[in-house]
Amino acid sequence: GQQLNQSPQSMFIQEGEDVSMNCTSSSIFNTWLWYKQDPGEGPVLLIALYKAGELTSNGRLTAQFGITRKDSFLNISASIPSDVGIYFCAGQLVSYKYIFGTGTRLKVLA
Amino acid sequence: SQTIHQWPATLVQPVGSPLSLECTVEGTSNPNLYWYRQAAGRGLQLLFYSVGIGQISSEVPQNLSASRPQDRQFILSSKKLLLSDSGFYLCAWSVDRGIDTQYFGPGTRLTVL
Repeated sequence: GQQLNQSPQSMFIQEGEDVSMNCTSSSIFNTWLWYKQDPGEGPVLLIALYKAGELTSNGRLTAQFGITRKDSFLNISASIPSDVGIYFCAGQLVSYKYIFGTGTRLKVLA
Repeated sequence: SQTIHQWPATLVQPVGSPLSLECTVEGTSNPNLYWYRQAAGRGLQLLFYSVGIGQISSEVPQNLSASRPQDRQFILSSKKLLLSDSGFYLCAWSVDRGIDTQYFGPGTRLTVL
């Protein structure tokens, strides 16, 4: 079945540092979504990408939809302690169906 | 604005007991509705989705079932729970206008003992 490779699996960074994570696949996607999930809560949508090559920002977050439509990355600039959590990418194959990455667990050291 | 509710928030059930989890959406009409399961430390697995009342599509064969008795209500059920049914169950909604961005509820933590 289709899979999304999300990396890194986890990362420890110092407060103020920039963070970068990405998702890749052998499949072509129509839409990419990036979510953040806090422990015991549902994922919260951060950024949605709808076109190949699209670069979208949401505050300190920037995400891009890869030109090949098989990858996407998320950058977080100047990280703060509340950025801690698990970040998921999701790629839309067809209507109603998303494939989710396994997540990147981010820990920020003050 | 749209909101999505799930209950209960947590549930502990014995093996072999029935299950009913409920999800409701407010502030939108005719949403697409989804049930996902998230195992500890892992990604999300799509279980069911629904594009309308009474219309259910199953993604993964299992002892779970879903129903949509009303436009904005989605129910996940089981007649007999298995240990492997433990996990974090998430309901999501979207409004398909050619773009199917999904929004998640707060989740239900199910522990089967």
